[in-house]
Amino acid sequence: GAVVSQHPSWVICKSGTSVKIECRSLDFQATTMFWYRQFPKQSLMLMATSNEGSKATYEQGVEKDKFLINHASLTLSTLTVTSAHPEDSSFYICSARDGPTEAFFGQGTRLTVV
Amino acid sequence: AQSVTQLGSHVSVSEGALVLLRCNYSSSVPPYLFWYVQYPNQGLQLLLKYTTGATLVKGINGFEAEFKKSETSFHLTKPSAHMSDAAEYFCAVSGAGTSYGKLTFGQGTILTVHP
Repeated sequence: GAVVSQHPSWVICKSGTSVKIECRSLDFQATTMFWYRQFPKQSLMLMATSNEGSKATYEQGVEKDKFLINHASLTLSTLTVTSAHPEDSSFYICSARDGPTEAFFGQGTRLTVV
Repeated sequence: AQSVTQLGSHVSVSEGALVLLRCNYSSSVPPYLFWYVQYPNQGLQLLLKYTTGATLVKGINGFEAEFKKSETSFHLTKPSAHMSDAAEYFCAVSGAGTSYGKLTFGQGTILTVHP
């Protein structure tokens, strides 16, 4: 299947700083990408839908000013966690849609805020 | 609205035994259904998916699942468990069209395989 690359794989940051996570579709163009969050020992929850060239659509309860999503090209979406706090520590994972019936996940990013 | 319920947060089987992981869904539109596996500290790997057509879906590593609309179920099975199957499994549902890929996940089932 197609490849979605997520970077970095893990990151440790200090409380109050911002962290940017990249999600790239390497061999296809993705007009739509999705961002999920997985807390330890929990399931994955959709945070937002990222559409190329337009504003992201956030799920209920997700702060759009804290989790900034930019989808400026057909192969790249970024998630920036602003003013990170320890409670933002989580596993963030993106997926990219390739056509009407295919979507592929990145390998995820483990964020630890200290 | 869509939701997924996985019955049993933990399932334990012996090596060589049948694996059965249960998944029930709720969807107001025809569902697309998925099973993913996640190994510790790793991303998700797609095992299989149902979109349209044949209701019995075969996936990788000997897994299969059957879509039963009348029971709103999509249970995952494997005839003979291997030690390497020990992992967490997630069932997920998506809509079609512009909603495709927007997944709602179940709570996950941790599969333990005993020698």
